[in-house]
Amino acid sequence: DIQMTQSPSTLSASVGDRVTITCRASQSIGRWLAWYQQKAGTVPKLLIYKSSTLESGVPSRFSGSGSGTEFTLTISSLQPDDFATYYCQQYNDYWTFGQGTKVEVK
Amino acid sequence: QVQLVQSGAEVKKPGASVKVSCQTSGYTFTSYGISWVRQAPGQGLEWMGLVSGYNGNTNYAQKFEGRLTMTRDTSTSTAYMELGSLRSDDTAVYYCARDRGGIGVYWGQGTLVTVSS
Repeated sequence: DIQMTQSPSTLSASVGDRVTITCRASQSIGRWLAWYQQKAGTVPKLLIYKSSTLESGVPSRFSGSGSGTEFTLTISSLQPDDFATYYCQQYNDYWTFGQGTKVEVK
Repeated sequence: QVQLVQSGAEVKKPGASVKVSCQTSGYTFTSYGISWVRQAPGQGLEWMGLVSGYNGNTNYAQKFEGRLTMTRDTSTSTAYMELGSLRSDDTAVYYCARDRGGIGVYWGQGTLVTVSS
């Protein structure tokens, strides 16, 4: 099974900050990586797929990059609505999620 | 519009089974698979498995093999997830998600399953 490891587990930031979350795969997954945002008590929302493709309707301050085993999610200027938990998910071999990164108010 | 509507919350005793439904609408059911994902309280997302809407073929995460059954009913566009031999650590919100090329764009609202004696 492919394992996904996110870092950091928690990130403290302020509105306007540039935020970067890293996701590493235990083996190469090409570009088959997605990012989701989840707020407490709500359903995960797809942000990015195929490593860097922005899902329709997602603000352009979100971007993704990477291939193989290392990937990043960047929020260029953190907005109040962005405080949430973010998950990466590989879909090269069924699905595996990272453990999540909580972005909290500094 | 695409909708996935799940059955209501369940309370089960250890050792019992639970069956959660996911009724879909707004798209051709047989064109997409349905994945099931669970989330224990305060924890992350865990993929459980996938059922093909086309032919009912299934793939389960290894940790659930032997006590997980996923099925679908094309006449009602509904997918089902049945988990047996329930333990307290199976307490979680269970989600269905429409699989679009390996990603989940559309999700059900979630079903809380509580396992308690």
